[in-house]
Amino acid sequence: DTGVSQDPRHKITKRGQNVTFRCDPISEHNRLYWYRQTLGQGPEFLTYFQNEAQLEKSRLLSDRFSAERPKGSFSTLEIQRTEQGDSAMYLCASSRAGAYEQYFGPGTRLTVT
Amino acid sequence: AQSVTQLGSHVSVSEGALVLLRCNYSSSVPPYLFWYVQYPNQGLQLLLKYTSAATLVKGINGFEAEFKKSETSFHLTKPSAHMSDAAEYFCAVSNNDMRFGAGTRLTVKP
Repeated sequence: DTGVSQDPRHKITKRGQNVTFRCDPISEHNRLYWYRQTLGQGPEFLTYFQNEAQLEKSRLLSDRFSAERPKGSFSTLEIQRTEQGDSAMYLCASSRAGAYEQYFGPGTRLTVT
Repeated sequence: AQSVTQLGSHVSVSEGALVLLRCNYSSSVPPYLFWYVQYPNQGLQLLLKYTSAATLVKGINGFEAEFKKSETSFHLTKPSAHMSDAAEYFCAVSNNDMRFGAGTRLTVKP
């Protein structure tokens, strides 16, 4: 069990650029979640997958955000035309189906200048 | 909809003192409740979970929490604080997506 990994750990981008983050879940976990955390707040749910199917999306996930999990293993989160308000920590978590506890990766900190 | 409220954004205790971090939940169904800890610039680490078994749940690092349905509470305690406990603590409730409280920053004074 190597834990959830995320890449990159830090990303600085200029406003208007596109960015993509990757998450590798714990290998036997078939559920994968994305959260956004801003300074001084708890994580906010964005979306989750069971295997390759995206089952739920938050209203926070605007049309500039897209997430994929094409083979039911790793996932990517893309933000198009980044805005300064997108600056946050993006957290990925995974779990087994039927198990409610989630295990988190170290996060990707995005700074939009 | 399920939600949690953490009372107190900042708690300060002396080393060796009791730690009490408060969490109240709102749920129309029996909740699954969690406490996570977050150290600076890191992800969240699961401390403990309540999944409708024993109401007193023991977790890692000497922490425990008690589920009280009558009070809709799930407070986190530790009998004796250690300097290494200084961190941000989050209470959460889960169905499929997990809903977090705003967090409580614990400071431990020497």
